[in-house]
Amino acid sequence: EIVMTQSPATLSVSPGERATLSCRASQSVSSNLAWYQQKPGQAPRLLIYGASTRATGIPARFSGSGSGTEFTLTISSLQSEDFAVYYCQQYNNWPNTFGQGTKLEIK
Amino acid sequence: EVQLVESGGGLVQPGGSLRLSCAASGFTFSSYWMSWVRQAPGKGLEWVANIKQDGSEKYYVDSVKGRFTISRDNAKNSLYLQMNSLRAEDTAVYYCARARRSRGCYFDYWGQGTLVTVSS
Repeated sequence: EIVMTQSPATLSVSPGERATLSCRASQSVSSNLAWYQQKPGQAPRLLIYGASTRATGIPARFSGSGSGTEFTLTISSLQSEDFAVYYCQQYNNWPNTFGQGTKLEIK
Repeated sequence: EVQLVESGGGLVQPGGSLRLSCAASGFTFSSYWMSWVRQAPGKGLEWVANIKQDGSEKYYVDSVKGRFTISRDNAKNSLYLQMNSLRAEDTAVYYCARARRSRGCYFDYWGQGTLVTVSS
């Protein structure tokens, strides 16, 4: 099973600033990597798939990069609605596995 | 608008059974893989099971193999998860999700979830 490790566990950033979230895979997942956003009491929402392709309706301030084992989600200018938990997920190997999440909180 | 609405969750004793349902609308249900993903209270996400468009292929996480069965009824635009021999560690919110197949699957639409609590 591929283990996905996200860092940091919690990230404190001020509105308007840039946030950079990391995700590392225990072995190569090529570009088969997705990012999700989850707010309290809500279902996850797909942000990015294929490591760098924004899902339908996702603002351009969200961008994904990386391949192989190292991936990054960048939010260029944080809005109040962006404070949430973010999960990465690999879908290169079965079982498809998620990271443990990064909580993005207001500084 | 894509909508996925789960139902069937509740409190069940260890060793008991429960059947979850997911009603889909707003897209051609029979054209998509579908999945169940769960989230234990205060924890992260865990993929549980996938099913192909025609039901001919099914995949499960090891921890539920032999206990859970995923199925679908394309005529009713519905997805199901039959859960038997339930354990305390199966306690979670269960999400129905539309899956996009590429090597494995990622999930582009999710339901609001249904809570399953396994406790005596």
